[in-house]
Amino acid sequence: KQEVTQIPAALSVPEGENLVLNCSFTDSAIYNLQWFRQDPGKGLTSLLLIQSSQREQTSGRLNASLDKSSGRSTLYIAASQPGDSATYLCAVLSGGYQKVTFGTGTKLQVIP
Amino acid sequence: NAGVTQTPKFRILKIGQSMTLQCAQDMNHNYMYWYRQDPGMGLKLIYYSVGAGITDKGEVPNGYNVSRSTTEDFPLRLELAAPSQTSVYFCASSFSGTSGTSTDTQYFGPGTRLTVL
Repeated sequence: KQEVTQIPAALSVPEGENLVLNCSFTDSAIYNLQWFRQDPGKGLTSLLLIQSSQREQTSGRLNASLDKSSGRSTLYIAASQPGDSATYLCAVLSGGYQKVTFGTGTKLQVIP
Repeated sequence: NAGVTQTPKFRILKIGQSMTLQCAQDMNHNYMYWYRQDPGMGLKLIYYSVGAGITDKGEVPNGYNVSRSTTEDFPLRLELAAPSQTSVYFCASSFSGTSGTSTDTQYFGPGTRLTVL
């Protein structure tokens, strides 16, 4: 059974810092990995999706990497801003399209 | 495009009542999903559909039913509501084609917050 872990559960940083969020998964036979952002009381917004054949994806200040062999992905946020404050979730697609497993998220607070 | 829409946004049910959570998408996506999110827990897949007329169970299907008569709509039915079904429910959709054309990015609705008392 696929298990997805995100550490730390919460993170507080001063504005302007670069930061890394971690996601680990137990079964390396994945199709893709997706990073989401969730604001309080809102739905999930897709940030980046990395296919199993890719090593990284970039969008603006965000960079996500994938190392299937070690079962790890990182989300790098450059020059953090208060507007980046949210919960960040990673989700792994494996074993068919129905096998989407989410982590429990990292709650990020960027302090002005 | 409105994206993925869900109604209602909030609902309180009494134990044993039934209701239908509505979900619609206007992106012509073939895949649709229902998740529930409990505090401190990751999202759990309830049901999913790969196209009109085709549905299948996810990780936590007990107590729920779905149907997919059109590409756009994917309602979730709760029969005999129980306190354990108190949760936030999210509908999502994605386009998945043949190898090399699939995007797989999931787009989520704003959620329905359900309380069963």
